Amino acid sequence: EAQVTQNPRYLITVTGKKLTVTCSQNMNHEYMSWYRQDPGLGLRQIYYSMNVEVTDKGDVPEGYKVSRKEKRNFPLILESPSPNQTSLYFCASSTPKDRRDTQYFGPGTRLTVL
Amino acid sequence: KQEVTQIPAALSVPEGENLVLNCSFTDSAIYNLQWFRQDPGKGLTSLLLIQSSQREQTSGRLNASLDKSSGRSTLYIAASQPGDSATYLCAAEWYGQNFVFGPGTRLSVLP
Repeated sequence: EAQVTQNPRYLITVTGKKLTVTCSQNMNHEYMSWYRQDPGLGLRQIYYSMNVEVTDKGDVPEGYKVSRKEKRNFPLILESPSPNQTSLYFCASSTPKDRRDTQYFGPGTRLTVL
Repeated sequence: KQEVTQIPAALSVPEGENLVLNCSFTDSAIYNLQWFRQDPGKGLTSLLLIQSSQREQTSGRLNASLDKSSGRSTLYIAASQPGDSATYLCAAEWYGQNFVFGPGTRLSVLP
């Protein structure tokens, strides 16, 4: 089954404690991205990757890091989480070669930073 | 900066009604526009993708139209059902820029 998986699904942590949210897709997609969703602000892109070892900032990259060492994985790293990073995070993937394919989204990770 | 807006923010209708959700975008030179559905606590599911050269797309009871000149897209849902209750998001993609999402319309279809 084609899917995007994220782990963990729920996470409560404290300010400053480094964490990683994993994202994996099994569709051999080149393009992967991370979004955060906040009430009243909608979905905003954090980082994206066009392919292995190619990453770029989205609209709200501050406080986040990513890496793309393998095609299937695109982890989101919060080196020193702060309460304003409490949010619902989504990973997505697609094959943008002809711009016909939609983005496939993971189930989301709800992060609370105390 | 390109922006996407959606109205209404929330909508409640009785079962069986036809309804229209609206999406507006600031720059008409879009690459494509997508409509997504989001159920509470879940990810996004793509409903329809309209490329810039197309005027509309249909899938079952759903029909999405695109009018680039006016910067608008509409999602038409025919014969609504309680199972259609969800938040509907539109997202526009411009050349050289990634998806920009609207804030969503929360739909409730009452039995």
